[in-house]
Formats: sequence, C-alpha cells, structure tokens
Amino acid sequence: QKEVEQDPGPLSVPEGAIVSLNCTYSNSAFQYFMWYRQYSRKGPELLMYTYSSGNKEDGRFTAQVDKSSKYISLFIRDSQPSDSATYLCALRNAGGTSYGKLTFGQGTILTVHP
Amino acid sequence: DAMVIQNPRYQVTQFGKPVTLSCSQTLNHNVMYWYQQKSSQAPKLLFHYYDKDFNNEADTPDNFQSRRPNTSFCFLDIRSPGLGDAAMYLCATTTGGGAHQPQHFGDGTRLSIL
Repeated sequence: QKEVEQDPGPLSVPEGAIVSLNCTYSNSAFQYFMWYRQYSRKGPELLMYTYSSGNKEDGRFTAQVDKSSKYISLFIRDSQPSDSATYLCALRNAGGTSYGKLTFGQGTILTVHP
Repeated sequence: DAMVIQNPRYQVTQFGKPVTLSCSQTLNHNVMYWYQQKSSQAPKLLFHYYDKDFNNEADTPDNFQSRRPNTSFCFLDIRSPGLGDAAMYLCATTTGGGAHQPQHFGDGTRLSIL
C-alpha cells in the first residue's frame, strides 16, 4: 500500500466549475500538508500549505485537512483554463531521519476547457 | 527571477555513459534535495544535503551520487545510466529553519537514455 494515494485522473471540467482534488494517506506521522501545482515541463510550485485539521483559504483555492480520516482536499473555485496542470499533494513528517522529506501523491491531471 | 536553476533542461546520454546534472540556488538555503520523477509518477526523494551533511535515502541506487561544493551548487552524478533512469530530475531547496519550511523547486532536467 502506498503511503499517499491520489487519483491520477485525468479530470476535465468546464471553465467556472468547482474542482475537488483529494488524497488519502496511511501514516499518522504526517503533520504538514501541501498542494503543489506542476505545469507541463516545469517544476512543482507550492500552492497551499496547512498544518492542522480544518480549512485554509487563499483566493480561489481552499485546502482542507481531516487528520482523523487521513484525508486532504484542494478545492478550486471558478476554475480557469490557466488552472490546467497536474496537482500534487505532498505530506511531511514533523521529524524523521530525512530532513523535511516530502512524500508525494501521484498527481491529478486537471484540464479546464473554455 | 528563477531562484532554483537546473541545467541543462534536457539531457540525452547513452546507456552506461556517466552524466552530471546541475542545480544552483540564489536563496542561500541550507538544504538541497534531489528528486526523481518518472512519467505519471510521484516525485521520489533520492538524497539531500543539510549544509555539507549528505543524507542518502535507503532505496536510492548506488549508481546515483551527489556533490555539493558550496551553498549555491549541487550536482547529481549518474555513474552508469540505465534505461530505467530516464526521468525528470528535480532539485529543491529549503531554509533549514524547521521541517515546516516550504520547499522551492527548479524546473527540472529531463534525462533521456539512448
């Protein structure tokens, strides 16, 4: 079983739709939860970063963490064609032998069509 | 302006011919990472440096080596590339001020093996 599971999609939505992206994880030691956006032929770019259970909002993006269910989500409101990218969840332990090691989900490919 | 710069963006090498990938950063960060990302897969941590201290992941093949001559530069050496080493190689940095600090990624080097 992978430590982090993420549906690879692909996910195709019309412009203006609300997008929901999700990851589940098995290791309760994960304490930091991130979402990265990766455009084609580019490196991952940090979108959202949360520590505790609950919601965090930044513009059109909302990150949600439910530690009891080991489930994290990213919501994109009013989606735009420029949101078309691969979205990776990334999780991190508070400690461990590898400083700040990120464990990534597989990534979900999102296409927003006009 | 790019803060984590990887060169070259595309590298083609022959089976078994050593190759070196380069990463530089202008952020003066203590920690530098190398990740391997195969097509449609999650980035996987190979190793990282905390200043001069090298930390190898347990499942990183011996074929992969790294050097960090100074704070700004880090190199990934693949001694005898096999076909299975074709991937995107991502460099990332973080401040070292705590495991909660975000990682900044370069745009990667896409390595092809002939």
